Amino acid sequence: GESVGLHLPTLSVQEGDNSIINCAYSNSASDYFIWYKQESGKGPQFIIDIRSNMDKRQGQRVTVLLNKTVKHLSLQIAATQPGDSAVYFCAENRGDYKLSFGAGTTVTVRA
Amino acid sequence: SQTIHQWPATLVQPVGSPLSLECTVEGTSNPNLYWYRQAAGRGLQLLFYSVGIGQISSEVPQNLSASRPQDRQFILSSKKLLLSDSGFYLCAWSVQTAEQYFGPGTRLTVT
Repeated sequence: GESVGLHLPTLSVQEGDNSIINCAYSNSASDYFIWYKQESGKGPQFIIDIRSNMDKRQGQRVTVLLNKTVKHLSLQIAATQPGDSAVYFCAENRGDYKLSFGAGTTVTVRA
Repeated sequence: SQTIHQWPATLVQPVGSPLSLECTVEGTSNPNLYWYRQAAGRGLQLLFYSVGIGQISSEVPQNLSASRPQDRQFILSSKKLLLSDSGFYLCAWSVQTAEQYFGPGTRLTVT
């Protein structure tokens, strides 16, 4: 089975609001995580990553939080825009340069 | 900068026909290369990965095979397609890390 999962398959958010996408992982030894964004019909796009020696990492309008105690990862998107509508995947390093992906959360931005 | 190409973008093939999907990477040397399949509304399943020319590892038993004839070329093949081979095929690359970058994908429909 998959070692990475997302809490909610869909998320609807009002334009301008902040979005929070959650992910749970099972391997407490995982040392690296990535968030990807996949627009319809396209390949996943790297958004942001975080290593297990960090709790928080910020990018442009995005923040990833890592809680190793409860094995939880989240992606926060500030001031969500229509262009943020996509499927978001968290991925976990499983060793040997390979990743395990969750099923994804579909984010829909309401105008 | 690095770029990754996949072709064709879409393909419709009858059951029992052969398959050849190609992936090429530019702007980097000796990348790790990956083939994933994504079923509709699902996450990414790793099919094959390669750390060098002629070096292929299979993740799951299946009707497909992969080859790496050149450093930056990765090919996914089948001798006889099955209906269950339909899906979105993604190629990805990385260089000495788990941070992977994806191509635009090939949508395969087996009829």
